[in-house]
Amino acid sequence: TQLLEQSPQFLSIQEGENLTVYCNSSSVFSSLQWYRQEPGEGPVLLVTVVTGGEVKKLKRLTFQFGDARKDSSLHITAAQPGDTGLYLCAARAGDSNYQLIWGAGTKLIIKP
Amino acid sequence: NAGVTQTPKFQVLKTGQSMTLQCAQDMNHNSMYWYRQDPGMGLRLIYYSASEGTTDKGEVPNGYNVSRLNKREFSLRLESAAPSQTSVYFCASREIFNQPQHFGDGTRLSIL
Repeated sequence: TQLLEQSPQFLSIQEGENLTVYCNSSSVFSSLQWYRQEPGEGPVLLVTVVTGGEVKKLKRLTFQFGDARKDSSLHITAAQPGDTGLYLCAARAGDSNYQLIWGAGTKLIIKP
Repeated sequence: NAGVTQTPKFQVLKTGQSMTLQCAQDMNHNSMYWYRQDPGMGLRLIYYSASEGTTDKGEVPNGYNVSRLNKREFSLRLESAAPSQTSVYFCASREIFNQPQHFGDGTRLSIL
């Protein structure tokens, strides 16, 4: 059974601090996606990483896909209250072209 | 820009009642999905439809049925609601694999 484990489950920090959240598995994935979900809304895609070792930047957010394509991290520099939300990682389930498996998420709160 | 529209947004049912959750997308996407989201468990796939006229079971299909009415609409039916089906239900659509899934804002369903 493929699983995606996200850590930490919950993180509360002050505005301006840096943070890193993780998405780990024992399985190898061909690609991995990160989504952000705000209260009362559905998840919204932030990035897709495909190549082992790949690093993608989205303003203050830096996403990295592990060399072995089993794990990924999201680093936020100088966090702002607008970064508050639930961060979810998702990856292709086996060989399916349709099914994703999802991590349980990291709930992030940035205090002003 | 409607995207994915889910109705209703909130619903309270009694055990044993039936209900249909509606979902419509205006992005001409081929595949559509129904998920449930429970605290600490991430998103779990209930059913999906790869294209108009096809439906397949996901991870947690028991107690649910679906209908892909046309390319735009994908409904989820609870025939005899149970308290264990209390959850937030999300509909999503996607054009092709590795493209982002676009989510609706969810239906918050409570079964008493």
